[in-house]
Amino acid sequence: ETGVTQTPRHLVMGMTNKKSLKCEQHLGHNAMYWYKQSAKKPLELMFVYSLEERVENNSVPSRFSPECPNSSHLFLHLHTLQPEDSALYLCASSPRTGANMNTEAFFGQGTRLTVV
Amino acid sequence: GENVEQHPSTLSVQEGDSAVIKCTYSDSASNYFPWYKQELGKGPQLIIDIRSNVGEKKDQRIAVTLNKTAKHFSLHITETQPEDSAVYFCAPGNYGQNFVFGPGTRLSVLP
Repeated sequence: ETGVTQTPRHLVMGMTNKKSLKCEQHLGHNAMYWYKQSAKKPLELMFVYSLEERVENNSVPSRFSPECPNSSHLFLHLHTLQPEDSALYLCASSPRTGANMNTEAFFGQGTRLTVV
Repeated sequence: GENVEQHPSTLSVQEGDSAVIKCTYSDSASNYFPWYKQELGKGPQLIIDIRSNVGEKKDQRIAVTLNKTAKHFSLHITETQPEDSAVYFCAPGNYGQNFVFGPGTRLSVLP
């Protein structure tokens, strides 16, 4: 258990559905991340929130919409997805205490998303 | 941006043998060099890391060595066990930058 909890663990949705992925951490971290992990591809950074402000959006399609209501919670809202969006979506958090040093990223167990 | 490669992409070893995975990177300003292990059905977890002022770090059966001049660092696992079977990722980085992960190396330890 890393202290980062993702729900649901598995999700099957149709292309016209709207769903949300949830991530929660109570480690006191001030940065949270969404990653996409597809088969045979590197971990792709999607969004970064630092102190609840989005600091990076890596050219992610608008059908993915993140939300960070507070430093402990991160959501990924999904709508009109495509089958190629099927993947493992991982949330991570880190202290990100500024420019002093990089530190460990703590990952949740991921949500396995299947778009049908 | 940082370009990260890992070699080999897959590795099979007999239980008890050693395994070495190499990570090469492009950004000479990188100064933090972690290795993550991802087991089936789980997210990646940090197993060892090193900073640029140190050339080698060891923690029981695992070690990381760094060659900043050549821009690569390696993960060494000795006396491998079946539970070491997983995908291993490197994620070299710089102060304040986001984590950029390598493509991963799938290690299989055969009993």
